[in-house]
Amino acid sequence: AQKITQTQPGMFVQEKEAVTLDCTYDTSDPSYGLFWYKQPSSGEMIFLIYQGSYDQQNATEGRYSLNFQKARKSANLVISASQLGDSAMYFCAMGSNFGNEKLTFGTGTRLTIIP
Amino acid sequence: DVKVTQSSRYLVKRTGEKVFLECVQDMDHENMFWYRQDPGLGLRLIYFSYDVKMKEKGDIPEGYSVSREKKERFSLILESASTNQTSMYLCASSFSPGGESTEAFFGQGTRLTVV
Repeated sequence: AQKITQTQPGMFVQEKEAVTLDCTYDTSDPSYGLFWYKQPSSGEMIFLIYQGSYDQQNATEGRYSLNFQKARKSANLVISASQLGDSAMYFCAMGSNFGNEKLTFGTGTRLTIIP
Repeated sequence: DVKVTQSSRYLVKRTGEKVFLECVQDMDHENMFWYRQDPGLGLRLIYFSYDVKMKEKGDIPEGYSVSREKKERFSLILESASTNQTSMYLCASSFSPGGESTEAFFGQGTRLTVV
């Protein structure tokens, strides 16, 4: 069985600062994928970034980067230079077969950016 | 642009009613999923389908059933709605390109209230 743990229910960060959202995972699958999604107050789920279990380099997408530490089973999301529009719920998720199958989600972190 | 459309944004139903939540995707995706989202619990998988007429139970299938008669449409059925099924329901779709991963695309969600 797969499990995702997000230990930060809520975070407050000053605008323009960098923020790290924690995610640890547990799985026995050798091939898995890790995802981060953003959910603004409007409710839609927005895909941010993906990391495959065999990827050697950490994934980056604009201001988002994924700090993947396989030995520690962690996949933290780093947002550089935070903006007011980053205020939202953030979910970490994983799926077997590089994520081509069903996803298991964490409980989420509510990020609030303070002006 | 991939589009996943859920038939209702808000729904209020009475206890004991049979409820249908409809989801349609327009990108010919093989995989479709139904999740429910509750505060503090994240997203939990109810049912998923990898092909037409196929369905598999997720983590919390009790009280629900699904139907996938056409590739683009995946319906969630609450056989006899109960108050503990009051929740946000999210539909998602993805395709499996073989050897690579792709993110799941989500609908806008249906907030169901059972009274």
